[in-house]
Amino acid sequence: QVQLVESGGGLVKPGGSLRLSCAASGFTFSDYYIHWIRQAPGKGLEWVSYISKRGDTIAYADSVKGRFTISRDNAKNSLFLQMNSLRGEDTAVYYCAREIGYQPRLDFWGQGALVTVSS
Amino acid sequence: DIQLTQSPSSLSASVGDSVTITCRASQSIDSYLNWYQQKPGKAPKLLIYGASGLQRWVPSRFAGSGSGADFTLTINSLQPEDFATYYCQQSHTAPYSFGQGTKVEIK
Repeated sequence: QVQLVESGGGLVKPGGSLRLSCAASGFTFSDYYIHWIRQAPGKGLEWVSYISKRGDTIAYADSVKGRFTISRDNAKNSLFLQMNSLRGEDTAVYYCAREIGYQPRLDFWGQGALVTVSS
Repeated sequence: DIQLTQSPSSLSASVGDSVTITCRASQSIDSYLNWYQQKPGKAPKLLIYGASGLQRWVPSRFAGSGSGADFTLTINSLQPEDFATYYCQQSHTAPYSFGQGTKVEIK
């Protein structure tokens, strides 16, 4: 069955860096765009970034542009989010999700990884 | 960037009621509008895609409609498991923004 499993979350000081991973299984990873979405505690969903099947098309939310970098390794069925210059407002649960369809939608989501930015 | 505004932010309803949530986009997004359901501590689940397409295994009491900039999610005959927060999301143009959410609570 389709599975997405995030890892790499934790506590980091403001200005620090963290790298999230998302391990995919149960489908042909290289056939899909993959997204990162985050949710601050008690808040709504915020779209963060996506990457195309081969990694040649990438987009970011303005709030993370220049600080976060999305990448993927299709040989290892893995997605990554390198997060630099972290701020308190980056504290959130980070989800990876698979996109499908000619009307793009996110049909499978991971369980999420908590990132806490605090001194 | 495209902004999505959901209304209401929250509502109270009883089991068996029908409820409607609206989502308005800041510009036309054709039918590139999805709806998700989220329960506390869980990842969101896709309900409706392309404004009106029902995701597999989603009960037919959920229905989406609209195009352009105005969309609705209707839940007919609310069931206990439907009490959750609902989000719209546009996939017309990156950044793929979400609405702020609508919390459906038990009256």
